[in-house]
Amino acid sequence: QSALTQSASVSGSPGQSITISCTGTNSDFVGYNSVSWFQHHPGNPPKLIIFDVTNRPSGVSNRFSGSKSGNTASLTISGLQLEDEAEYFCSSYTSISTPLYVFGTGTKVTVL
Amino acid sequence: QVQLQESGPGLMKPSETLSLSCAVSGASVRSNWWWSWVRQSPGSGLEWIGEIHSRLGINYNPSLESRLTISLDKSQNGLSLRLSSVSAADTAVYYCARHMTGVNSFDYWGQGTLVIVSS
Repeated sequence: QSALTQSASVSGSPGQSITISCTGTNSDFVGYNSVSWFQHHPGNPPKLIIFDVTNRPSGVSNRFSGSKSGNTASLTISGLQLEDEAEYFCSSYTSISTPLYVFGTGTKVTVL
Repeated sequence: QVQLQESGPGLMKPSETLSLSCAVSGASVRSNWWWSWVRQSPGSGLEWIGEIHSRLGINYNPSLESRLTISLDKSQNGLSLRLSSVSAADTAVYYCARHMTGVNSFDYWGQGTLVIVSS
């Protein structure tokens, strides 16, 4: 099972919106709505920010939003803030194939 | 507050067996959660290693299954990973994570422990 493909880096200025994409194959997304996004600041545990494509856990800012079209899932960060500078990675539950979970290659977000 | 803390040997030699522990606080490994191990090799993305549930069983990544054992330590409220015959390709930061209830995702992660395999 290959990793989900993400762009290596995305940058934006404070207040702007950016979008990170996560592309896989049909078998990667056979779980249909089981796509998650995580924020990872080095030295800290990864933090779940989106699950089931569009849902935010309690306490996560509504500046983070998720979507999916075909074999590409996307994370949009609106009103970019300095604290958003981190690595972001997606994951998908593949349901009927193994391994059961695949992850994206990761995207480094830089706030200029 | 759920917290997970991995611990491991740090540096290993090829062909040795890797043993990692994950101490869990704020949640019981006996309860109705799946628990996973995930790793990230240098310069690479994350790789799911396997998952375990106290009543529902264990699932492994087929690419590692022949060398892998995941277990729960119910007395210590933690989980363990054993990976035999390690090589440089097993050099990675290893994370343990809890699965979110009713969701195919991970809501709590440890900080990770770095394992370097080098002769």
